[in-house]
Amino acid sequence: AQTVTQSQPEMSVQEAETVTLSCTYDTSENNYYLFWYKQPPSRQMILVIRQEAYKQQNATENRFSVNFQKAAKSFSLKISDSQLGDTAMYFCAFMRRETSGSRLTFGEGTQLTVNP
Amino acid sequence: GAVVSQHPSWVICKSGTSVKIECRSLDFQATTMFWYRQFPKQSLMLMATSNEGSKATYEQGVEKDKFLINHASLTLSTLTVTSAHPEDSSFYICSARKGTPSGNTIYFGEGSWLTVV
Repeated sequence: AQTVTQSQPEMSVQEAETVTLSCTYDTSENNYYLFWYKQPPSRQMILVIRQEAYKQQNATENRFSVNFQKAAKSFSLKISDSQLGDTAMYFCAFMRRETSGSRLTFGEGTQLTVNP
Repeated sequence: GAVVSQHPSWVICKSGTSVKIECRSLDFQATTMFWYRQFPKQSLMLMATSNEGSKATYEQGVEKDKFLINHASLTLSTLTVTSAHPEDSSFYICSARKGTPSGNTIYFGEGSWLTVV
């Protein structure tokens, strides 16, 4: 079974600064995906970024980037130039790379607050 | 990206009645959809995996007779909470798996708030 751990229940950052959210996971699989989802107060789950485990290059999406360390089973999210709209709960998630039966395993979440 | 629509966003029902929540993939076909329940300040709890054309797979501890799931088409899955009780009040959210040549990604609906009075 897979587990995902987010060790930071809450974090805060000043607007325009950079913040890094931590995520570690445990799995015996070799092929899988990792995701970061954002859940703002509206409760909508929004995909922030996706990483395929077989790719060594870290995924980036505008101000969002990841530091994927496969050997260490670490998948941190870096948010640059933080904006007030980034205030949300952030969930790290794992999914096996198989065509059927794949489902997400979530971490506990990190509540990020961006202060003006 | 992809669009998953969930309806209704808010629903209030009387204790003992049933309520149906719909989850639609609007711009892709989803053979697999997932239903979650989320308690305040907690992560998402997977209730069941909905498979098109076959029975849903329920997680341990989830009553299949209480939470009926139907996935009759490649774009629609429904969750029916039967004989609802106040303790069923919660936020329910669905997701759908989209397959692409580069692999799978999961997209979520907007979620549904259920209040049982």
